[in-house]
Amino acid sequence: DIQMTQSPSLLSASVGDRVTLNCKASQNIYKNLAWYQQKLGEAPKLLIYNANSLQTGIPSRFSGSGSGTDFTLTISSLQPEDVATYFCQQYYSGSTFGAGTKLELK
Amino acid sequence: EVQLVESGGGLVQPGRSLKLSCAASGFTFSSFPMAWVRQAPKKGLEWVASISSGGGGTYYPDSVKGRFTISRDNAKSTLYLQMDSLRSEDTASYYCARSIYYYSSYLDYWGQGVMVTVSS
Repeated sequence: DIQMTQSPSLLSASVGDRVTLNCKASQNIYKNLAWYQQKLGEAPKLLIYNANSLQTGIPSRFSGSGSGTDFTLTISSLQPEDVATYFCQQYYSGSTFGAGTKLELK
Repeated sequence: EVQLVESGGGLVQPGRSLKLSCAASGFTFSSFPMAWVRQAPKKGLEWVASISSGGGGTYYPDSVKGRFTISRDNAKSTLYLQMDSLRSEDTASYYCARSIYYYSSYLDYWGQGVMVTVSS
């Protein structure tokens, strides 16, 4: 099985900060990676698919990059409503999710 | 607007069965593969079942294979998850989600989730 490792597990940042979340796959998954946002008590929401494609309706301050084994999700200017846990998911072989990065306001 | 609404969760004893439903609307249900994903309390996400758009293909990870059965009724735009021989480790929120591809795919719409608690 492909393992997904997210870092950091907890990230504190201020409104307006540029924030970078990391996701590493245990083997090459090419660009078969998605990012989801999950706010407290809510269902996950798709942000990014195919590593760098922005889902319809998602603000442009969110962007994804990477290929192979190393991927990043960047929020260009953190907003209060971005407080959430972010999960990456590989879908190159079956599907596995990372453990998540909890993003909080400093 | 795409909507997915799960139902059927609750408290069940170990070894018993439970069937979840997911009512879909706002899109052509029969055109999309679907999936169930679960999340144990304060834990990460685990894919537990997939089904092709026509229902002829299904996929399960080893953790639930032989105990869970995914099915769909395209005429009713409804997805199901039959869960048998339930264990305490099956306690989780269960989400139905629309899948772009069958089996290995990202999930573009999710329901609000339904809680399943397995306990005596």
